[in-house]
Amino acid sequence: AQSVTQLDSHVSVSEGTPVLLRCNYSSSYSPSLFWYVQHPNKGLQLLLKYTSAATLVKGINGFEAEFKKSETSFHLTKPSAHMSDAAEYFCVVRWMDSSYKLIFGSGTRLLVRP
Amino acid sequence: DTAVSQTPKYLVTQMGNDKSIKCEQNLGHDTMYWYKQDSKKFLKIMFSYNNKELIINETVPNRFSPKSPDKAHLNLHINSLELGDSAVYFCASSLTTAGEETQYFGPGTRLLVL
Repeated sequence: AQSVTQLDSHVSVSEGTPVLLRCNYSSSYSPSLFWYVQHPNKGLQLLLKYTSAATLVKGINGFEAEFKKSETSFHLTKPSAHMSDAAEYFCVVRWMDSSYKLIFGSGTRLLVRP
Repeated sequence: DTAVSQTPKYLVTQMGNDKSIKCEQNLGHDTMYWYKQDSKKFLKIMFSYNNKELIINETVPNRFSPKSPDKAHLNLHINSLELGDSAVYFCASSLTTAGEETQYFGPGTRLLVL
């Protein structure tokens, strides 16, 4: 069975400092992994995805994530936080059958202090 | 040029009523999904249709009935609404025949049952 664990429910950073949102996955197969972002009262937007190509994945708005098989991790990073990055971030794994079902982590709320 | 749209955006109704939420995508995708996000922001798949055929039906009460009149539409009808149905419902779509795993989400429908 596939699952993802987001280790922090809240992360608070100052504007201009690095962001690290942690995600560990569990999968019997080589997984497809995603990060989605949800701004307050908005829908979900894809930030980036890993589908067994390059292990370092670059996404939108300066975010990137590195797939580390040995650590079963897919942490999301950004060198410098912006106020507009404040949102809920979801690490997601794709169920490895023909259904393409997505399994969501519990989410991490990123707070950015001025 | 909205990709995945949902109507209504907000829905406030009384317990016991029947209501429908509509979803439309203009991306030419062949698979559509319904997800439920509870008050703790946890997201879970409910249903998925591929080419109008039901392929995912999670353990959802029979009061929930999806209907897909064509590939571009997936509606969700809920009978005898209960307080616990209050949540945000997200529609999503993807093009699975191309092996594309990315799901594109609508803006969500916020349902409040009183």
